[in-house]
Amino acid sequence: AQSVTQLDSHVSVSEGTPVLLRCNYSSSYSPSLFWYVQHPNKGLQLLLKYTSAATLVKGINGFEAEFKKSETSFHLTKPSAHMSDAAEYFCSDYKLSFGAGTTVTVRA
Amino acid sequence: GAVVSQHPSRVICKSGTSVKIECRSLDFQATTMFWYRQFPKKSLMLMATSNEGSKATYEQGVEKDKFLINHASLTLSTLTVTSAHPEDSSFYICSAGSAAEKLFFGSGTQLSVL
Repeated sequence: AQSVTQLDSHVSVSEGTPVLLRCNYSSSYSPSLFWYVQHPNKGLQLLLKYTSAATLVKGINGFEAEFKKSETSFHLTKPSAHMSDAAEYFCSDYKLSFGAGTTVTVRA
Repeated sequence: GAVVSQHPSRVICKSGTSVKIECRSLDFQATTMFWYRQFPKKSLMLMATSNEGSKATYEQGVEKDKFLINHASLTLSTLTVTSAHPEDSSFYICSAGSAAEKLFFGSGTQLSVL
């Protein structure tokens, strides 16, 4: 059974507006959680990770994510989308179980 | 920063032939490497965990005789797709690291079997 679930298969935003990518996890204890970005025909790049330290995690490229145990969520946000943010995003847990991915498109 | 090199980036082969994909850690020693398969617009599926000096651990449903993994050194793991068929066409990605918190990904290999 999959340990992480990405709730949106596709998110479309206008450049300069906020981005929200949702990820829920299923675990009886605090997991390690990760967000990765994948550009076409490329490998994955780690955006940020949560490892039981601060619940608000800041990553690269202006992304951040908040771990909420009460909601079993680890949503990824960015206050202002850039065209270069158009890519596939994956949420993952320590078991290397990946969510189905969220495709982000950014409109000019 | 740490870099994982995956080669080749793209390979086209005839049905029935075998294809080898290499995954190298360039500036660190990787006791563990992971191999994934990704279908178009789909997530990554962990195929196997490659451990240096020992047999790989395959995920359920992955044929070990079909996907041969060799991790002969701390910087190199290879995945060989034996007797490839069109259904094996996919994007294969490796990652290397000693723990989930320290994983670095290769750039992937697009395999097309004719």
